Amino acid sequence: LAKTTQPISMDSYEGQEVNITCSHNNIATNDYITWYQQFPSQGPRFIIQGYKTKVTNEVASLFIPADRKSSTLSLPRVSLSDTAVYYCLVGGVYDTGRRALTFGSGTRLQVQP
Amino acid sequence: DAGVTQSPTHLIKTRGQQVTLRCSPKSGHDTVSWYQQALGQGPQFIFQYYEEEERQRGNFPDRFSGHQFPNYSSELNVNALWLGDSALYLCASSLAGDKQETQYFGPGTRLLVL
Repeated sequence: LAKTTQPISMDSYEGQEVNITCSHNNIATNDYITWYQQFPSQGPRFIIQGYKTKVTNEVASLFIPADRKSSTLSLPRVSLSDTAVYYCLVGGVYDTGRRALTFGSGTRLQVQP
Repeated sequence: DAGVTQSPTHLIKTRGQQVTLRCSPKSGHDTVSWYQQALGQGPQFIFQYYEEEERQRGNFPDRFSGHQFPNYSSELNVNALWLGDSALYLCASSLAGDKQETQYFGPGTRLLVL
């Protein structure tokens, strides 16, 4: 499974846009890129998923360049409630079976008032 | 549309005991994966069940076993508990055949081994 690298932590202020970049140099052709958000003592919450170019939903945007070796999660106008750990994962459905997710250490985002 | 549910929410055991954790997948999902999350770390994959069989397994000893029932719900069993088994245990469900195989997580079960 492709390894991902993210910043350990980031700080921001309410109302700002936050961009978290993840590198995944050995991403495979079948792999999708998925981001999760996790609050303390809760299960990870699915944020967004994409394969290439740009994906946008009601909470975030995901930018994936043509070589797919990195991706950027963009959170518009963050609030205090966006303080959490954000995980970038890369994986797909493999011939050997169903997909397992490999989590790294994630990025701890702290939003200040 | 019910999401992933897990029970119990919290559990305290002593070393050497055995524990069973339960998970009901999101409505319409047929695949269940289990993860262990130690404090301050990312979740680590334990195993995955589909069609009542273990399909993939992470780097966990045989003390960790599981089961999937015909209604797609699942159990995680841990025998001979160690102090190091204290963690948040997460269940995630997904739909086989979904190309993106998006996994949705439950709230977790917090296990404390004394």
